[in-house]
Amino acid sequence: GENVEQHPSTLSVQEGDSAVIKCTYSDSASNYFPWYKQELGKRPQLIIDIRSNVGEKKDQRIAVTLNKTAKHFSLHITETQPEDSAVYFCAASINDYKLSFGAGTTVTVRA
Amino acid sequence: DADVTQTPRNRITKTGKRIMLECSQTKGHDRMYWYRQDPGLGLQLIYYSFDVKDINKGEISDGYSVSRQAQAKFSLSLESAIPNQTALYFCATRGTGNNEQFFGPGTRLTVL
Repeated sequence: GENVEQHPSTLSVQEGDSAVIKCTYSDSASNYFPWYKQELGKRPQLIIDIRSNVGEKKDQRIAVTLNKTAKHFSLHITETQPEDSAVYFCAASINDYKLSFGAGTTVTVRA
Repeated sequence: DADVTQTPRNRITKTGKRIMLECSQTKGHDRMYWYRQDPGLGLQLIYYSFDVKDINKGEISDGYSVSRQAQAKFSLSLESAIPNQTALYFCATRGTGNNEQFFGPGTRLTVL
């Protein structure tokens, strides 16, 4: 089955700086890569996703890049704010059937 | 998202007991999922269902069973609970043609 590895497990950044989280996947057939954000005590929520026919996607301060050859994708958060503090999960799937999640990255934004 | 609800929200039980976690949704979605979340392990898929007559095992189905009673309801059962099943359990739904999975609020289960 698909194996998704996520790094780093924890990330502390100064408010206003950028944060980058990287994930690698094992199955070259995977073609859908979402990112979920989970605030403390809350449920995971989708923040951005990308399909394998696109190399980059951006939504305001967040962006995702995909390198199919290397089988890795990354989440970029610019101009970080305190409300960006959360756990972020990457995931991969083949044809949307089921998601395989990474272990998560705890992001802390320091004021 | 109040459209996906889970009961109970918290449960403490003893080893060997049978327990059922319930998930209901009013989003009209056909696809439903059960995940388990443990610290440092992310979300692991237990079972998923694409419609009432379709049930599929996920990555960690051993020790669990499910029932899709209706399109809107998907229950997870632990036939004989054990302490290493202590975790946070999430139900999720997804509609056909929409990629996003909508998660319920979670059930925190403790097995003593």
